[in-house]
Amino acid sequence: DTEVTQTPKHLVMGMTNKKSLKCEQHMGHRAMYWYKQKAKKPPELMFVYSYEKLSINESVPSRFSPECPNSSLLNLHLHALQPEDSALYLCASSQDYATGELFFGEGSRLTVL
Amino acid sequence: DAKTTQPTSMDCAEGRAANLPCNHSTISGNEYVYWYRQIHSQGPQYIIHGLKNNETNEMASLIITEDRKSSTLILPHATLRDTAVYYCIVRVADDKIIFGKGTRLHILP
Repeated sequence: DTEVTQTPKHLVMGMTNKKSLKCEQHMGHRAMYWYKQKAKKPPELMFVYSYEKLSINESVPSRFSPECPNSSLLNLHLHALQPEDSALYLCASSQDYATGELFFGEGSRLTVL
Repeated sequence: DAKTTQPTSMDCAEGRAANLPCNHSTISGNEYVYWYRQIHSQGPQYIIHGLKNNETNEMASLIITEDRKSSTLILPHATLRDTAVYYCIVRVADDKIIFGKGTRLHILP
């Protein structure tokens, strides 16, 4: 199994809602990532988890809250988002953080109204 | 400042070799060259990486110049499915994977 599965594929939420994006991998990878991608732009790194601990936060606003409940799961909790947060959110995993071969999911497309 | 420079877009005829250049003139001795691609509406896909030597796998070949200041990704027989944005990334081990603007490759039938 070489898949990274992201749910939901599409999410529409209001600015006062609380929602979560989920990511799952069963490759035994110990590093997991969240990237954000706006239309026609490259993916931007948000967070990195290594061995279930947050190792990198790229100065992401606190309305985005990551969580890594176990080595296979990665969540991104969303609260009080702004319309400009509408984007494709990509999850990725790698064997460990030293490895540059990342496996990406297909993303969750978020629209904030 | 961007560590790599790539053409904004390129065309290639189907069945021909697609040669995608990347300049990384400030690369340091311990930085690897990685290539990813992103097909429309999909997540990025790892293609290949190298340090000094040329590398080949089932997807592509990576040619790195002797001075390591540039590299070329070669897709030997391009198909329409190879239409994508191709990202060249330089990175030391234990560092972030940071995407630049990439090259939009159009494969023409």
